[in-house]
Amino acid sequence: NAGVTQTPKFQVLKTGQSMTLQCAQDMNHEYMSWYRQDPGMGLRLIHYSVGAGITDQGEVPNGYNVSRSTTEDFPLRLLSAAPSQTSVYFCASRLGGNQPQHFGDGTRLSIL
Amino acid sequence: AQTVTQSQPEMSVQEAETVTLSCTYDTSESNYYLFWYKQPPSRQMILVIRQEAYKQQNATENRFSVNFQKAAKSFSLKISDSQLGDTAMYFCAFMNYAGKSTFGDGTTLTVKP
Repeated sequence: NAGVTQTPKFQVLKTGQSMTLQCAQDMNHEYMSWYRQDPGMGLRLIHYSVGAGITDQGEVPNGYNVSRSTTEDFPLRLLSAAPSQTSVYFCASRLGGNQPQHFGDGTRLSIL
Repeated sequence: AQTVTQSQPEMSVQEAETVTLSCTYDTSESNYYLFWYKQPPSRQMILVIRQEAYKQQNATENRFSVNFQKAAKSFSLKISDSQLGDTAMYFCAFMNYAGKSTFGDGTTLTVKP
């Protein structure tokens, strides 16, 4: 099993560009989440999903869109990139109940 | 909304000694989960230990144990017999039953030889 796979690992964008960060999991987990981690800080929840077709906003959703058309995939879209969105982005999934989250390796995103 | 506070930005410990990392949280919910995650320089997020709020017994995983005080909303992590490989940033995390998580800002732990 690959676990949680995030692509790309690194990306540089110009202000105003759009892009999609990909996240896929092969563990048949219902719950998936996107976080951002700024230097010296913890993870902040952007959006999360409790199953295919169901998404909800987290702590810092502005500037990001998500959709969950399949159990496996949970892409994160930046609509118009801003320098304030420079960060490391983590995707996570979990089975549910008391099960912990499984994290991808992160995507380092720089916006110039 | 939940908040998680880790009041120790940095800590250090000598190899083989014991260290305790602090975490407090605030929530109005009565049922939830608490976790400690480790993030080494490789940036991976690794589960250290978990606790279910309805369980009074403190969780233990080998050298790692927690002191969970529900009334005080405190969830500290004790690392016994510290090893060089324990050097990492440690995050305390709260999760409600809807699956929404809140993380603290982390404690950087350095284990010195």
